[in-house]
Amino acid sequence: DAGVIQSPRHEVTEMGQEVTLRCKPISGHNSLFWYRQTMMRGLELLIYFNNNVPIDDSGMPEDRFSAKMPNASFSTLKIQPSEPRDSAVYFCASSPEGVQFFGPGTRLTVL
Amino acid sequence: AQKVTQAQTEISVVEKEDVTLDCVYETRDTTYYLFWYKQPPSGELVFLIRRNSFDEQNEISGRYSWNFQKSTSSFNFTITASQVVDSAVYFCALSGGNNDMRFGAGTRLTVKP
Repeated sequence: DAGVIQSPRHEVTEMGQEVTLRCKPISGHNSLFWYRQTMMRGLELLIYFNNNVPIDDSGMPEDRFSAKMPNASFSTLKIQPSEPRDSAVYFCASSPEGVQFFGPGTRLTVL
Repeated sequence: AQKVTQAQTEISVVEKEDVTLDCVYETRDTTYYLFWYKQPPSGELVFLIRRNSFDEQNEISGRYSWNFQKSTSSFNFTITASQVVDSAVYFCALSGGNNDMRFGAGTRLTVKP
């Protein structure tokens, strides 16, 4: 199994631009999670899906952030417009039940 | 509310020393799960162990062992005979029945040769 796949691995963009992060979960896993990791705030859960349905998005920082899961094998996290304070590593994780397996992360830098 | 506290921000040991990473948690759930993850310098998060709240048996896996004590709400992680490759940030995490996983702040372990 290829594990959780995230793209891009690195993204550098300018303030105000739209950023789209992508995630392919492990096949057969029915839950998908988006996290953000920063030095200041550590690992924060942004949103999670169960069977492609968003269950809890209370961690999404503001309306500039949105996430979708159109099917069981693909999810996106979009930031529009991006701001320098969005710079972080964004992780996607998937889970069959209980244990979450993480992707390699996307390091986002907003200039 | 669920909370995980890893009071040790950084630990430095010399190779072959034993080291224990502390984790204290708070939850009102009667059923919950505790986890440890490792984040090496390469940045990925690697799952190490999951424990459910009804299983207080200690677990050993090679040089790794975990001590779960509900009476003190602790789930400590010990590495025996540490190696340089153990250098990483280690996260303790807690999850209730709703998949909402809370991570501690992490403990950065440095093992010097």
